[in-house]
Amino acid sequence: DGGITQSPKYLFRKEGQNVTLSCEQNLNHDAMYWYRQDPGQGLRLIYYSQIVNDFQKGDIAEGYSVSREKKESFPLTVTSAQKNPTAFYLCASSAQVNTEAFFGQGTRLTVV
Amino acid sequence: GESVGLHLPTLSVQEGDNSIINCAYSNSASDYFIWYKQESGKGPQFIIDIRSNMDKRQGQRVTVLLNKTVKHLSLQIAATQPGDSAVYFCAENRVGGFKTIFGAGTRLFVKA
Repeated sequence: DGGITQSPKYLFRKEGQNVTLSCEQNLNHDAMYWYRQDPGQGLRLIYYSQIVNDFQKGDIAEGYSVSREKKESFPLTVTSAQKNPTAFYLCASSAQVNTEAFFGQGTRLTVV
Repeated sequence: GESVGLHLPTLSVQEGDNSIINCAYSNSASDYFIWYKQESGKGPQFIIDIRSNMDKRQGQRVTVLLNKTVKHLSLQIAATQPGDSAVYFCAENRVGGFKTIFGAGTRLFVKA
């Protein structure tokens, strides 16, 4: 089955630790995205990548980092510099600009 | 500032009735609009999209209407079913851009 997979579904970390969220897609999509969702709010763009080895900051990139070494993978690292990291993180991919995005099932990160 | 917003945070309808979810956008340069459905604890799923050269598009039990004059978008769900209960987001893609802007969402409750 083609799709986009995020892992793990739930993640707990201690404050001050870096943590990496996985996102893999087998849809052969060029573009990939990371969004953050807080309770009762919409999705805010953290980073996006149009093509392998290239990525751009979104609206709330501070405290996060990404890499795009392979077309199918776009991991997100939440660093200790992110002041309020507890949230629901969504990864998405799309074939090209201005087409629908396909979302993963999300990773709920809780920092204690 | 620029935004994609929703008029109502919650909507409650009787099973079998039609539902209408509204959305306002502020950037007249936007050319692509998408509706997503998000069930609890899951990633958003594509429902239907519309480009700015259209004012209406129909899918299975859903219709999207676009009024560019007043920058308004609506999603109509016919014969609403319990499985339609979810949060619905409208999203806007700017011309030539990768940044999809999401609204805060409307939670739809379907009463049996």
